[in-house]
Amino acid sequence: EAGVAQSPRYKIIEKRQSVAFWCNPISGHATLYWYQQILGQGPKLLIQFQNNGVVDDSQLPKDRFSAERLKGVDSTLKIQPAKLEDSAVYLCASSLGWGSFGEKLFFGSGTQLSVL
Amino acid sequence: TQLLEQSPQFLSIQEGENLTVYCNSSSVFSSLQWYRQEPGEGPVLLVTVVTGGEVKKLKRLTFQFGDARKDSSLHITAAQPGDTGLYLCAGGAAGNKLTFGGGTRVLVKP
Repeated sequence: EAGVAQSPRYKIIEKRQSVAFWCNPISGHATLYWYQQILGQGPKLLIQFQNNGVVDDSQLPKDRFSAERLKGVDSTLKIQPAKLEDSAVYLCASSLGWGSFGEKLFFGSGTQLSVL
Repeated sequence: TQLLEQSPQFLSIQEGENLTVYCNSSSVFSSLQWYRQEPGEGPVLLVTVVTGGEVKKLKRLTFQFGDARKDSSLHITAAQPGDTGLYLCAGGAAGNKLTFGGGTRVLVKP
């Protein structure tokens, strides 16, 4: 079974520039998550979609971050404008069901963003 | 906000030794998951525990969920270099909103 695909793997930009990340979840998975993982820390949830609806975006810095999940499949996460503190690995994950507790998350390999 | 604290932050041991990683919170979780993350990859689920006092074994790994469902531990017996990685615990609440701990970086030297 194909896993969660993310691109690009690496991105280097200067502060105040824009950047976008793409995620293709496992086919048939209803829920999609974007996490931010700063070096030396655990992942922090940015946004959670169920199909194409947002379930939780309470920790998404909405003044600069945006995300969408078109047709309930692929998703993009955008940062505009980027700040130095946005340097992190951005992980996409998906799960089969509707977010019941204990459900298994499948993670992609992540996009490593460096903001200079 | 539910917080999970993991200890120690870093552990370096020799092959064949045992190790224990702890995950603690002041909050009660519906479930607790353990993931392992290798450099350049996303976390991979090792186990999910849902019942207070539950113990699960996965080969040389033993996972325990505290009776009050506020803490958990991961014990590795006779560690091997392949066990090297970042171990993350994650507590689940309603809607599968996972809160991750800060992780324990384990290095097993041959």
